[in-house]
Parts: sequence; structure tokens; C-alpha cells
Amino acid sequence: NAGVTQTPKFRILKIGQSMTLQCTQDMNHNYMYWYRQDPGMGLKLIYYSVGAGITDKGEVPNGYNVSRSTTEDFPLRLELAAPSQTSVYFCASSYHLGIGQPQHFGDGTRLSIL
Amino acid sequence: AQTVTQSQPEMSVQEAETVTLSCTYDTSESDYYLFWYKQPPSRQMILVIRQEAYKQQNATENRFSVNFQKAAKSFSLKISDSQLGDAAMYFCAYRSENRDDKIIFGKGTRLHILP
Repeated sequence: NAGVTQTPKFRILKIGQSMTLQCTQDMNHNYMYWYRQDPGMGLKLIYYSVGAGITDKGEVPNGYNVSRSTTEDFPLRLELAAPSQTSVYFCASSYHLGIGQPQHFGDGTRLSIL
Repeated sequence: AQTVTQSQPEMSVQEAETVTLSCTYDTSESDYYLFWYKQPPSRQMILVIRQEAYKQQNATENRFSVNFQKAAKSFSLKISDSQLGDAAMYFCAYRSENRDDKIIFGKGTRLHILP
């Protein structure tokens, strides 16, 4: 079982460029999440999805977009990269809402905007 | 709004000793879940332990245990017989029972293990 897989692991972007962070999970989890972790801080929720075709905003959604066309994949798109989006991005998944299921995390993507 | 506070940015403990990491939270909800996650230098987030708010019994997982004080809104993590591999950032997290967007992490405590 690969679990949650994120690509790429590292990326440097120029201001104004766009890119997609890929996330896929093979655990047949309904729920998927995108977080960002700024230096010295905890994780903040960007977007989440409760199933294919359904997405919703988290705490810090501005500047990002997501889609969920399949259960397995949950890509995060940055349309116009800004220095404030320099961070480490984590994708996570969990099986069920409401029964305290833990989230399984990917290894993270370190993104720098210069 | 819910908040999670970890008041100890860094802690150190001698190998084989016991250490307790503090976490307090603020919420008006009665049903929720609390977690401790470990983030080693590899950056991967690893679930250490979880506690359901409706359970009075403190959760334990091998060398890891919690002291859950619901009235005081306190959720500390005790690591017994500390090992070098326990060195990591530890995050306390709160999850609302009914809303997936209500997942809140503390700022973390960096734990150093001294040989």
C-alpha cells in the first residue's frame, strides 16, 4: 500500500507562474484534504473534499483551486503564484467523517515562490 | 472559534526518561476528537494517539499516553522511556465531530532527546 502520494517533493516557481500539486491515495478514502505548513507553525486547512465531485473551502483557500474527479485524486492548483504561498503543502485522507478517524498524510511538497 | 495552544515551543529530555508535552484548547462544542501527531525531520505527519471527548478513560499507545482533562480543556501527551527516535515536532490537533473543516492544529512542540 502506497498510502497518500504527493508529487513533486520540491518545486521553485517564479511569481505569477501556475502549477498543480498532485495527490493520490490508494486506500479508498472518502475524505481528502490539503494543508499548508508555514515555518514554525501548525497546519492550516486550504481545501477539503468529502467525495468525488464535492469540494469545500477550509481556513485559507484564497489563491488556490481544487478538483475531485475521482476518489483517488485530489490535485491542488496555484494559478498566480505569490511569495506568500511559499510553504510546505500536505495532502491527507481519511475514511469517514464524524467518527474521529485519523488522517493519513503524504510526505509533503516544499514550494518556494521567488 | 476553536483554538489549540501548545505553550512549549521546545523541550528536551534525557533518553529513557519521561516527558510531558502540554496542549490546551478552547471550544464550545461537547463532542470532538483530539490527536497528537509526530513530525520527524522527514516531515511526514504520523498519528501518535487520539482521544474521543466522550470517553473519560485516557488513551494509551505503548509508551505514549495522554492526560485528558475535559473540564480544564487540557490534553497533554506523556512519553515514557524516551528514545532517540522520538525526537520530532509534536502537534496537538482538534477535530470537530460534525464538520471536516474544523480541524485545528497547534503550533507544535519540538522535542529533543539527549543521549
